[in-house]
Amino acid sequence: NAGVTQTPKFRVLKTGQSMTLLCAQDMNHEYMYWYRQDPGMGLRLIHYSVGEGTTAKGEVPDGYNVSRLKKQNFLLGLESAAPSQTSVYFCASGSGFSGANVLTFGAGSRLTVL
Amino acid sequence: DAKTTQPPSMDCAEGRAANLPCNHSTISGNEYVYWYRQIHSQGPQYIIHGLKNNETNEMASLIITEDRKSSTLILPHATLRDTAVYYCIVRVVDSWGKFQFGAGTQVVVTP
Repeated sequence: NAGVTQTPKFRVLKTGQSMTLLCAQDMNHEYMYWYRQDPGMGLRLIHYSVGEGTTAKGEVPDGYNVSRLKKQNFLLGLESAAPSQTSVYFCASGSGFSGANVLTFGAGSRLTVL
Repeated sequence: DAKTTQPPSMDCAEGRAANLPCNHSTISGNEYVYWYRQIHSQGPQYIIHGLKNNETNEMASLIITEDRKSSTLILPHATLRDTAVYYCIVRVVDSWGKFQFGAGTQVVVTP
């Protein structure tokens, strides 16, 4: 049982390049989230999904797009990378038991934009 | 979701209990208190949650005041591996959608 897997773990891009981060979960969770974390800062929500085929904007959605075509996968795309998008990206998926919101996080993807 | 207030940092001696406070004075009756932690460079990890009763699991204990306006996360015997940022979050029961983290408390456990 792998939990939440993020690929790639590390990536270096040049300004203007595009890329996609993949988040895969094998826990049959409905809810999935993408966060970014800059050095010394807290987590900021980029986009999230409350089910297959649905996505919604978080706090800092500009410059990113997402898709949730399959329940187990949540993709985060950068169409034209900028140095300001240098960050560590975390994906999470959520399940509820007894009405509680419990998130399981991936190990993170470290992106550097030159 | 109700706003939470946590001290920005605190130190704890190894082997001693770490008591992490969280203020949530505007909490509603249908909101849970959650605690997560983030060890350096790793993804956050769920610790515990509670509604109004005190809760305990293998990681920690959660004490919620009777008026529910504040809570304390207790790490009974802190180890160096407990050095992390601890987040206190309040959320409506069985609600999803935006799930936002605040600044948390940086806990440093010293030998």
